[in-house]
Amino acid sequence: AQSVAQPEDQVNVAEGNPLTVKCTYSVSGNPYLFWYVQYPNRGLQFLLKYITGDNLVKGSYGFEAEFNKSQTSFHLKKPSALVSDSALYFCAVRDPPSGNTPLVFGKGTRLSVIA
Amino acid sequence: DAGVIQSPRHEVTEMGQEVTLRCKPISGHNSLFWYRQTMMRGLELLIYFNNNVPIDDSGMPEDRFSAKMPNASFSTLKIQPSEPRDSAVYFCASTYGQGDAETQYFGPGTRLLVL
Repeated sequence: AQSVAQPEDQVNVAEGNPLTVKCTYSVSGNPYLFWYVQYPNRGLQFLLKYITGDNLVKGSYGFEAEFNKSQTSFHLKKPSALVSDSALYFCAVRDPPSGNTPLVFGKGTRLSVIA
Repeated sequence: DAGVIQSPRHEVTEMGQEVTLRCKPISGHNSLFWYRQTMMRGLELLIYFNNNVPIDDSGMPEDRFSAKMPNASFSTLKIQPSEPRDSAVYFCASTYGQGDAETQYFGPGTRLLVL
């Protein structure tokens, strides 16, 4: 069965520093991987996804994620964190990667960027 | 595009009352998903529809919960009777699925409090 793990409940980073939010996955085939962000009292917003091709995926708000098949990881990164990046981040996977099957979400990682 | 629309945004009710949550997916999308988010359990998939047909309702917690999608532009999630443990944020999401890389788009959620 497909699953994702976000090993950190909370990540704290100083404004201007690089940030990383970790995600590892477990699927039987080739994964389709997604990152979403949730701001307070809001729904989840799509950030980026990996389907195929270049392992480095660029998304909204300056975020990027690197797909690493050997490590079964899809960590979210940003070179320079902003206070406004503080939010709850969810990694998600779909397997089998076809049709309208649901995404499986991780438990989320709360990112706090400190000024 | 107005995005996924949910109503009401907030609902406060008393235990035993019927609660109906509504969702209008993005026009043209053919899949719809209902999720529930709580601090304890994170984001849980309750049920999803493809082309208005319920595909998997295994996430529906019990018979008190029911969901319908009478047409492509409207879905309801009903709780009858409601209980305090149903208090959560309920999200609706939709996607258009003719390929492998569908992105789910989330509504703003309905925050339900059952007293």
